[in-house]
Amino acid sequence: AQSVTQPDIHITVSEGASLELRCNYSYGATPYLFWYVQSPGQGLQLLLKYFSGDTLVQGIKGFEAEFKRSQSSFNLRKPSVHWSDAAEYFCAVGGGPNTGGGNKLTFGTGTQLKVEL
Amino acid sequence: ETGVTQTPRHLVMGMTNKKSLKCEQHLGHNAMYWYKQSAKKPLELMFVYNFKEQTENNSVPSRFSPECPNSSHLFLHLHTLQPEDSALYLCASSRGLGGNTIYFGEGSWLTVV
Repeated sequence: AQSVTQPDIHITVSEGASLELRCNYSYGATPYLFWYVQSPGQGLQLLLKYFSGDTLVQGIKGFEAEFKRSQSSFNLRKPSVHWSDAAEYFCAVGGGPNTGGGNKLTFGTGTQLKVEL
Repeated sequence: ETGVTQTPRHLVMGMTNKKSLKCEQHLGHNAMYWYKQSAKKPLELMFVYNFKEQTENNSVPSRFSPECPNSSHLFLHLHTLQPEDSALYLCASSRGLGGNTIYFGEGSWLTVV
Protein backbone atom coordinates (compact mmCIF):
# COMPACT_ATOMS: atom_id res chain seq x y z
CA ALA A 1 0.00 0.00 0.00
CA GLN A 2 1.19 3.50 -0.73
CA SER A 3 1.66 6.04 2.02
CA VAL A 4 3.01 9.52 2.59
CA THR A 5 4.61 10.95 5.70
CA GLN A 6 5.03 14.62 6.36
CA PRO A 7 6.89 14.64 9.67
CA ASP A 8 6.46 18.33 10.41
CA ILE A 9 2.94 19.35 11.38
CA HIS A 10 3.85 23.02 11.87
CA ILE A 11 6.79 25.07 10.62
CA THR A 12 7.50 28.73 11.30
CA VAL A 13 10.01 30.69 9.26
CA SER A 14 10.88 34.34 8.96
CA GLU A 15 10.08 36.17 5.78
CA GLY A 16 13.06 36.02 3.46
CA ALA A 17 14.42 32.86 5.02
CA SER A 18 14.76 29.60 3.13
CA LEU A 19 12.24 26.81 3.50
CA GLU A 20 12.30 23.05 3.25
CA LEU A 21 9.24 20.90 3.84
CA ARG A 22 9.86 17.20 4.19
CA CYS A 23 7.97 14.40 2.50
CA ASN A 24 8.69 10.68 2.60
CA TYR A 25 6.68 8.17 0.66
CA SER A 26 6.20 4.47 0.42
CA TYR A 27 5.34 3.02 -2.95
CA GLY A 28 6.05 -0.26 -4.65
CA ALA A 29 7.12 1.13 -8.01
CA THR A 30 8.25 4.42 -9.49
CA PRO A 31 5.83 6.92 -8.04
CA TYR A 32 4.22 10.02 -9.36
CA LEU A 33 4.73 12.72 -6.73
CA PHE A 34 2.92 15.98 -6.14
CA TRP A 35 2.96 18.99 -3.87
CA TYR A 36 -0.24 20.95 -3.34
CA VAL A 37 -0.86 24.11 -1.35
CA GLN A 38 -4.07 25.04 0.42
CA SER A 39 -4.77 28.55 1.65
CA PRO A 40 -7.36 28.98 4.41
CA GLY A 41 -10.87 28.24 3.17
CA GLN A 42 -9.64 27.27 -0.27
CA GLY A 43 -9.16 24.14 -2.29
CA LEU A 44 -5.85 22.59 -3.23
CA GLN A 45 -3.62 24.21 -5.81
CA LEU A 46 -0.95 22.19 -7.57
CA LEU A 47 2.55 23.55 -6.92
CA LEU A 48 4.59 20.99 -8.84
CA LYS A 49 4.77 17.37 -9.84
CA TYR A 50 7.33 14.71 -10.62
CA PHE A 51 6.58 12.03 -13.17
CA SER A 52 10.00 11.11 -14.56
CA GLY A 53 13.25 12.58 -15.82
CA ASP A 54 15.12 15.33 -14.04
CA THR A 55 14.82 14.73 -10.32
CA LEU A 56 14.76 18.44 -9.53
CA VAL A 57 11.44 19.90 -10.56
CA GLN A 58 10.42 23.52 -10.66
CA GLY A 59 6.96 24.69 -9.75
CA ILE A 60 4.93 27.82 -9.43
CA LYS A 61 5.58 30.62 -6.94
CA GLY A 62 9.32 29.91 -6.86
CA PHE A 63 9.02 26.44 -5.32
CA GLU A 64 11.10 23.44 -6.28
CA ALA A 65 11.28 19.85 -5.12
CA GLU A 66 13.84 17.12 -5.45
CA PHE A 67 13.03 13.45 -5.89
CA LYS A 68 15.52 11.20 -4.11
CA ARG A 69 14.74 7.57 -4.79
CA SER A 70 17.35 6.24 -2.37
CA GLN A 71 15.74 8.18 0.47
CA SER A 72 12.13 7.81 -0.71
CA SER A 73 11.82 11.55 -0.32
CA PHE A 74 10.35 14.44 -2.25
CA ASN A 75 11.16 17.54 -0.22
CA LEU A 76 9.80 20.93 -1.15
CA ARG A 77 12.08 23.97 -1.05
CA LYS A 78 11.97 27.69 -1.56
CA PRO A 79 15.05 29.93 -1.26
CA SER A 80 13.22 32.97 0.12
CA VAL A 81 9.80 32.76 1.71
CA HIS A 82 7.19 35.49 1.31
CA TRP A 83 4.45 36.23 3.83
CA SER A 84 1.88 35.13 1.23
CA ASP A 85 3.35 31.62 1.32
CA ALA A 86 1.69 31.00 4.68
CA ALA A 87 -0.64 28.07 4.02
CA GLU A 88 -0.89 24.33 4.41
CA TYR A 89 1.21 22.16 2.14
CA PHE A 90 0.35 18.62 1.12
CA CYS A 91 2.57 16.01 -0.43
CA ALA A 92 0.88 13.25 -2.41
CA VAL A 93 1.90 10.06 -4.17
CA GLY A 94 0.09 8.29 -6.96
CA GLY A 95 0.59 5.54 -9.46
CA GLY A 96 1.55 5.81 -13.10
CA PRO A 97 -0.26 4.74 -16.26
CA ASN A 98 0.38 1.05 -15.75
CA THR A 99 -0.67 0.77 -12.16
CA GLY A 100 -4.30 0.06 -12.83
CA GLY A 101 -7.06 0.79 -10.37
CA GLY A 102 -7.50 4.37 -11.33
CA ASN A 103 -5.77 7.54 -10.40
CA LYS A 104 -5.59 7.23 -6.63
CA LEU A 105 -3.64 9.86 -4.81
CA THR A 106 -2.54 9.26 -1.25
CA PHE A 107 -1.96 12.44 0.69
CA GLY A 108 0.13 13.24 3.70
CA THR A 109 -1.41 14.93 6.70
CA GLY A 110 -0.01 18.30 5.66
CA THR A 111 2.46 20.85 7.01
CA GLN A 112 1.14 24.17 8.22
CA LEU A 113 3.54 26.97 7.33
CA LYS A 114 3.57 30.18 9.32
CA VAL A 115 5.64 33.12 8.11
CA GLU A 116 6.85 35.70 10.60
CA LEU A 117 7.35 39.22 9.36
CA GLU B 1 -9.31 31.03 -10.76
CA THR B 2 -9.96 27.33 -10.87
CA GLY B 3 -11.24 25.23 -13.75
CA VAL B 4 -13.24 23.19 -11.25
CA THR B 5 -16.23 24.99 -9.74
CA GLN B 6 -18.10 23.77 -6.69
CA THR B 7 -21.42 24.96 -5.31
CA PRO B 8 -22.47 25.75 -2.72
CA ARG B 9 -19.29 26.88 -0.99
CA HIS B 10 -20.94 26.56 2.40
CA LEU B 11 -23.84 24.36 3.47
CA VAL B 12 -25.45 23.81 6.84
CA MET B 13 -27.94 20.98 7.03
CA GLY B 14 -29.85 19.05 9.63
CA MET B 15 -29.46 15.33 10.02
CA THR B 16 -32.83 14.69 8.40
CA ASN B 17 -32.30 16.98 5.42
CA LYS B 18 -31.52 16.05 1.84
CA LYS B 19 -29.10 18.28 -0.01
CA SER B 20 -26.69 18.05 -2.91
CA LEU B 21 -23.23 19.33 -3.72
CA LYS B 22 -22.49 20.22 -7.30
CA CYS B 23 -19.23 20.22 -9.19
CA GLU B 24 -18.50 21.36 -12.74
CA GLN B 25 -15.19 21.20 -14.53
CA HIS B 26 -14.27 23.36 -17.50
CA LEU B 27 -11.03 21.61 -18.36
CA GLY B 28 -12.24 19.01 -20.83
CA HIS B 29 -11.31 16.23 -18.46
CA ASN B 30 -12.84 12.77 -18.39
CA ALA B 31 -12.28 11.74 -14.79
CA MET B 32 -13.86 13.32 -11.73
CA TYR B 33 -13.43 12.71 -8.03
CA TRP B 34 -14.89 13.45 -4.62
CA TYR B 35 -12.51 13.82 -1.70
CA LYS B 36 -13.32 14.47 1.95
CA GLN B 37 -11.08 16.64 4.10
CA SER B 38 -11.65 16.47 7.84
CA ALA B 39 -9.69 18.32 10.48
CA LYS B 40 -6.43 16.65 11.44
CA LYS B 41 -6.89 13.84 8.90
CA PRO B 42 -5.41 13.25 5.45
CA LEU B 43 -7.59 13.81 2.44
CA GLU B 44 -9.76 10.78 1.82
CA LEU B 45 -10.72 9.66 -1.65
CA MET B 46 -14.44 8.90 -1.76
CA PHE B 47 -15.44 8.27 -5.36
CA VAL B 48 -13.88 8.19 -8.81
CA TYR B 49 -15.70 8.48 -12.11
CA ASN B 50 -14.20 7.99 -15.54
CA PHE B 51 -16.29 8.79 -18.62
CA LYS B 52 -19.38 8.94 -16.37
CA GLU B 53 -18.80 5.47 -14.99
CA GLN B 54 -17.95 4.94 -11.35
CA THR B 55 -14.59 3.22 -11.01
CA GLU B 56 -13.97 3.65 -7.32
CA ASN B 57 -16.09 3.68 -4.18
CA ASN B 58 -13.81 3.85 -1.20
CA SER B 59 -16.21 2.16 1.23
CA VAL B 60 -18.28 5.31 1.52
CA PRO B 61 -21.51 5.06 3.56
CA SER B 62 -24.67 4.95 1.48
CA ARG B 63 -25.88 8.26 2.94
CA PHE B 64 -23.48 9.76 0.36
CA SER B 65 -24.76 9.13 -3.15
CA PRO B 66 -22.75 10.36 -6.14
CA GLU B 67 -24.09 11.09 -9.58
CA CYS B 68 -22.16 11.81 -12.75
CA PRO B 69 -24.50 12.67 -15.63
CA ASN B 70 -21.63 13.58 -17.96
CA SER B 71 -17.87 14.08 -17.87
CA SER B 72 -18.22 17.73 -16.87
CA HIS B 73 -20.60 17.43 -13.95
CA LEU B 74 -20.50 15.57 -10.68
CA PHE B 75 -22.95 15.65 -7.82
CA LEU B 76 -22.85 14.37 -4.28
CA HIS B 77 -26.32 13.77 -2.86
CA LEU B 78 -26.51 13.89 0.90
CA HIS B 79 -29.19 12.44 3.15
CA THR B 80 -29.50 11.55 6.83
CA LEU B 81 -25.97 12.67 7.53
CA GLN B 82 -24.27 12.58 10.90
CA PRO B 83 -22.41 15.41 12.64
CA GLU B 84 -19.13 13.60 12.01
CA ASP B 85 -19.76 14.05 8.29
CA SER B 86 -19.05 17.75 8.72
CA ALA B 87 -16.00 18.45 6.58
CA LEU B 88 -14.69 20.11 3.45
CA TYR B 89 -15.74 18.18 0.38
CA LEU B 90 -13.42 18.64 -2.55
CA CYS B 91 -14.23 17.87 -6.12
CA ALA B 92 -11.41 17.25 -8.57
CA SER B 93 -10.85 16.24 -12.17
CA SER B 94 -8.12 14.87 -14.38
CA ARG B 95 -7.66 14.15 -18.05
CA GLY B 96 -7.87 10.45 -17.41
CA LEU B 97 -6.88 7.84 -14.92
CA GLY B 98 -3.45 6.44 -14.18
CA GLY B 99 -1.01 9.15 -13.32
CA ASN B 100 -2.66 12.24 -14.70
CA THR B 101 -2.50 15.41 -12.66
CA ILE B 102 -5.57 16.01 -10.54
CA TYR B 103 -6.98 19.53 -10.32
CA PHE B 104 -9.12 20.50 -7.36
CA GLY B 105 -12.02 22.85 -6.84
CA GLU B 106 -12.23 25.19 -3.87
CA GLY B 107 -14.43 22.84 -1.91
CA SER B 108 -17.80 22.87 -0.23
CA TRP B 109 -17.80 23.34 3.52
CA LEU B 110 -20.49 21.11 5.02
CA THR B 111 -21.76 21.44 8.56
CA VAL B 112 -24.25 18.88 9.83
CA VAL B 113 -26.23 20.02 12.86
